[in-house]
Amino acid sequence: DQQVKQNSPSLSVQEGRISILNCDYTNSMFDYFLWYKKYPAEGPTFLISISSIKDKNEDGRFTVFLNKSAKHLSLHIVPSQPGDSAVYFCAAPFEADDYKLSFGAGTTVTVRA
Amino acid sequence: DVKVTQSSRYLVKRTGEKVFLECVQDMDHENMFWYRQDPGLGLRLIYFSYDVKMKEKGDIPEGYSVSREKKERFSLILESASTNQTSMYLCASSTGTGYTGELFFGEGSRLTVL
Repeated sequence: DQQVKQNSPSLSVQEGRISILNCDYTNSMFDYFLWYKKYPAEGPTFLISISSIKDKNEDGRFTVFLNKSAKHLSLHIVPSQPGDSAVYFCAAPFEADDYKLSFGAGTTVTVRA
Repeated sequence: DVKVTQSSRYLVKRTGEKVFLECVQDMDHENMFWYRQDPGLGLRLIYFSYDVKMKEKGDIPEGYSVSREKKERFSLILESASTNQTSMYLCASSTGTGYTGELFFGEGSRLTVL
């Protein structure tokens, strides 16, 4: 049973616009969340993370928002670029302070020129 | 830069064959993992190891075994391959000195079982 859920399998957005990717989790003990990006035929690479003591973390065009009461986080990409076309995975440790990650099913983002 | 190298990018095997997937990392990481990626299911943890000769089951260990004889090398073994093991297999490593959250992945091995 997946504890991290990405309910939107795909997202199409025009270049320059905002991409918003959503992720829900079931385990209230999760206290650290990560986003990974994956291009076809490559392994996932770490993108951005957020600790539960924050509600927002920003890194350039990428911002992650965390709503603990709703057990929900989102990744915003502004502005979206063609090179952002990839699969994005939300992840969280299986247990607090654990190094094993539980991944969501992923959201495929396509940025249209 | 961390380098995680998986020995085979693409493999085609027949049902019942024994399959070895090899993974080597060059950053002296304590932890190593094997995941499989399937459409609609994301990445699921098969096995992981936090030290040489140590291994623990992940979410879906059935039909798989692992070996970690050296710190830098983690092998995934399919004793008798089946068609439902057709998948993308991803090896990853991470440091064990406190939780950093970041896994470093290899490029993946796409296995097709006929």
